[in-house]
Amino acid sequence: EAGVVQSPRYKIIEKKQPVAFWCNPISGHNTLYWYLQNLGQGPELLIRYENEEAVDDSQLPKDRFSAERLKGVDSTLKIQPAELGDSAVYLCASSFMTGYTGELFFGEGSRLTVL
Amino acid sequence: DAKTTQPNSMESNEEEPVHLPCNHSTISGTDYIHWYRQLPSQGPEYVIHGLTSNVNNRMASLAIAEDRKSSTLILHRATLRDAAVYYCILRGGYNYGQNFVFGPGTRLSVLP
Repeated sequence: EAGVVQSPRYKIIEKKQPVAFWCNPISGHNTLYWYLQNLGQGPELLIRYENEEAVDDSQLPKDRFSAERLKGVDSTLKIQPAELGDSAVYLCASSFMTGYTGELFFGEGSRLTVL
Repeated sequence: DAKTTQPNSMESNEEEPVHLPCNHSTISGTDYIHWYRQLPSQGPEYVIHGLTSNVNNRMASLAIAEDRKSSTLILHRATLRDAAVYYCILRGGYNYGQNFVFGPGTRLSVLP
């Protein structure tokens, strides 16, 4: 069974440019998370989806970040415009369903470098 | 979300057991204790989780204190591949929030 798939793995852009990251969760997983991870720190939640609904986006900087999960399956995270401080790894994760207390599955992440 | 406290770093010798501690004094009755680890340049991966009783799987064992205010992840024989950052996380059950809140974790070094 395929795991959580993210693309691109690496992205280098100039500041003020837009960038988008794509995530395909494990088949059948209703809950999808986007995390940001700075060097040497643990992942920080940006947004959580239950199916196509964003149920927690309180940590998403909405002035420049946006996310969507239109059909409740794959998801896109966009930054526009990117700033130097956005350089980080963006992780996508999925889990089975609301109320499930089991494991979270992560993708390999998308590493963003803003010059 | 209840918080956890872990040592910043630990060292172990190869093929010796490793005990990674985690304190979670504000844990609620419905919080599950999860452990994840992150190898270099990879996303975190699930290790083990439990509620009240000790748990064993092919990767590790989880020992949970009787009052549930602390837990210990046990790697029975450390290998060089176990060198990673280990995260202890509390996850609430249904209606108690579904977010996984990660702290800085414990960086485990394994010496040959």
